[in-house]
Amino acid sequence: EVQLVESGGGLVLPGRSLTLSCAASGFSFDNYVMHWVRQAPGKGLEWVSGMRATGGLLGYADSVKGRFTVSRDNAKNSLYLQMDSLRPDDTAFYYCVRPHSGGWGPFRFWGQGALVTVSS
Amino acid sequence: EIVLTQSPGTLSLSPGERATLSCRASQSVSNTYLAWYQQKPGQAPRLLIYDISTRATGIPDRFSGSGSATDFTLTISRLEPEDFAVYYCHQYATSPLTFGGGTKVEIK
Repeated sequence: EVQLVESGGGLVLPGRSLTLSCAASGFSFDNYVMHWVRQAPGKGLEWVSGMRATGGLLGYADSVKGRFTVSRDNAKNSLYLQMDSLRPDDTAFYYCVRPHSGGWGPFRFWGQGALVTVSS
Repeated sequence: EIVLTQSPGTLSLSPGERATLSCRASQSVSNTYLAWYQQKPGQAPRLLIYDISTRATGIPDRFSGSGSATDFTLTISRLEPEDFAVYYCHQYATSPLTFGGGTKVEIK
């Protein structure tokens, strides 16, 4: 069974940093592109970033470019999102997502989400 | 960036009725890489349709997708009580990957 478990969310002050982790199990992690998608409370979905199986970058949303960094450790079956210079509009549930097959998408498997709240 | 515009924003229908949801792209979506998701309150999105018209595993055949290039449609042939939710379209052809703003299907 595919499982994606996010951790590291919480309350953080504006301008500070936070790192999210996603622990993957139930599939060959090093065969798949992985993504982060976020959703502000009561709002729509926004793709944040994605990374190829071998570590190549798919890109970032303009809203996080220069502030967020995605990475992965295939030996630990884990995906990470380092978030710097956090702003109140970064407040959202952050989902770790695995595509249906070997391509970029569609997004077949989702974690339960980690809530990041940026507030003073 | 490919901008996806969904309409209507809200669809008020009764169980048993047909729902037609629209998704329009600002430029052509290559390789048929267009998907639809359903999201209920407090839950992660669920993949319904991918590659424009392929149903994901376990999705009932009352859900169907169609369209091409820049105009796409999700149709729910007869609404069941569990189908009242928010639906998003999504293109995964071009980075940045993008989602539509969503259509809420509510009980009339």
